[in-house]
Amino acid sequence: GQNIDQPTEMTATEGAIVQINCTYQTSGFNGLFWYQQHAGEAPTFLSYNVLDGLEEKGRFSSFLSRSKGYSYLLLKELQMKDSASYLCAVCDSNYQLIWGAGTKLIIKP
Amino acid sequence: ETGVTQTPRHLVMGMTNKKSLKCEQHLGHNAMYWYKQSAKKPLELMFVYSLEERVENNSVPSRFSPECPNSSHLFLHLHTLQPEDSALYLCASSQDFGDPSYEQYFGPGTRLTVT
Repeated sequence: GQNIDQPTEMTATEGAIVQINCTYQTSGFNGLFWYQQHAGEAPTFLSYNVLDGLEEKGRFSSFLSRSKGYSYLLLKELQMKDSASYLCAVCDSNYQLIWGAGTKLIIKP
Repeated sequence: ETGVTQTPRHLVMGMTNKKSLKCEQHLGHNAMYWYKQSAKKPLELMFVYSLEERVENNSVPSRFSPECPNSSHLFLHLHTLQPEDSALYLCASSQDFGDPSYEQYFGPGTRLTVT
């Protein structure tokens, strides 16, 4: 079967750095997405990785290792507004997104 | 209006009712999606439409019936639902289906409660 694993909840301090991991087993691979979802709101796109390596976009970076079935989202200089759920999703061989259950990130002052 | 809109935002219905959820995208996209999001569970893809044609049948109970009259609108018709169908129903769109580099844009969702 297809499976995406990510931690259920993480806590970090304002101004610090946090890394959210995602491991996957899917039928085929056409890229991996990270989305942010604030409580009661729609998910919004953060990043897309299809090749191995690190993609940096401001305070957020995303890393992919296809051989290990592994990705992480790195958030730097954390702000209170970063408190949200972070969703990992893999595009499979049918071009459908397979989603993880999300990681709820709690930022403390 | 911009982006993806959904109505209603909240819906309470009995198990014998019939209701419809509406989604509209103002982005000129060719693909539209219905997802179900239950608490602490992954998003479940229900239906995909590409250029108004249904792409996949994702083993969704027949009490859920999608309709895509044009590339900007998507409906989800509901009838004889069960309490376990209570969830957040999200609509999304993307430029095209089958090109994984295009991200999906989500609407705010309809919070459905079945009593």
